[in-house]
Amino acid sequence: EIVLTQSPGTLSLSPGERATLSCRASQSVDNSYLAWYQQKRGQAPRLLIYGASSRATGIPDRFSGSGFETDFSLTIKRLEPEDFAIYYCQQYGTSPWTFGQGTKVEIK
Amino acid sequence: EVQLVQSGAEVRKPGESLKISCKGSGYSFNIFWIGWVRQMPGKGLEWMGTIYPGDSDSRYSPSFQGQVTISVDKSINTAYLQWSSLKASDTAIYYCVRRLPVAGAFDYWGQGTLVTVSS
Repeated sequence: EIVLTQSPGTLSLSPGERATLSCRASQSVDNSYLAWYQQKRGQAPRLLIYGASSRATGIPDRFSGSGFETDFSLTIKRLEPEDFAIYYCQQYGTSPWTFGQGTKVEIK
Repeated sequence: EVQLVQSGAEVRKPGESLKISCKGSGYSFNIFWIGWVRQMPGKGLEWMGTIYPGDSDSRYSPSFQGQVTISVDKSINTAYLQWSSLKASDTAIYYCVRRLPVAGAFDYWGQGTLVTVSS
């Protein structure tokens, strides 16, 4: 199975700063079938990005995704207070679909 | 409005059986794959399996194959996840998810069902 490794484990930033999260795959992700999800405490995850770079419906344009094959990233242009959460990447190009272990974005 | 509404929290003893549900509304239930994702306490997300309501074609992660059964009743727009013999390690939140038709990511999530297995 494809193992996704996210880094860093925790990102400590202030509102207004830029956040860059990384997701590295153990082998190439077919068709860039890579998604990013946001999970806030006590809530279900929410889809942010699919196909490596397409924003899901209703997602603000401060969120952007990029990358291909084995290296992907999620960028949050200017952190808003509501963006402090855990972010997961997921590949759905090769079964079994797998998730990264998550990156926590916390307030510095 | 698309919604996935899951059944409520459950507490069971080891060895007992359980079936939890997920009812879809606001879209054509039969033509979107529905899946289940596990989140153990304080841990990350794990895909368990998916089912196509139109013909009940199901796919499982090897980690969960034989451990759970995913089924669907398309007449009432409801998917199910069931265990025949629960273990303490099945304690987790279980989310049902809708899969985008081509892109395949999970675009809608249920609110989650907490399953607690304890003697």
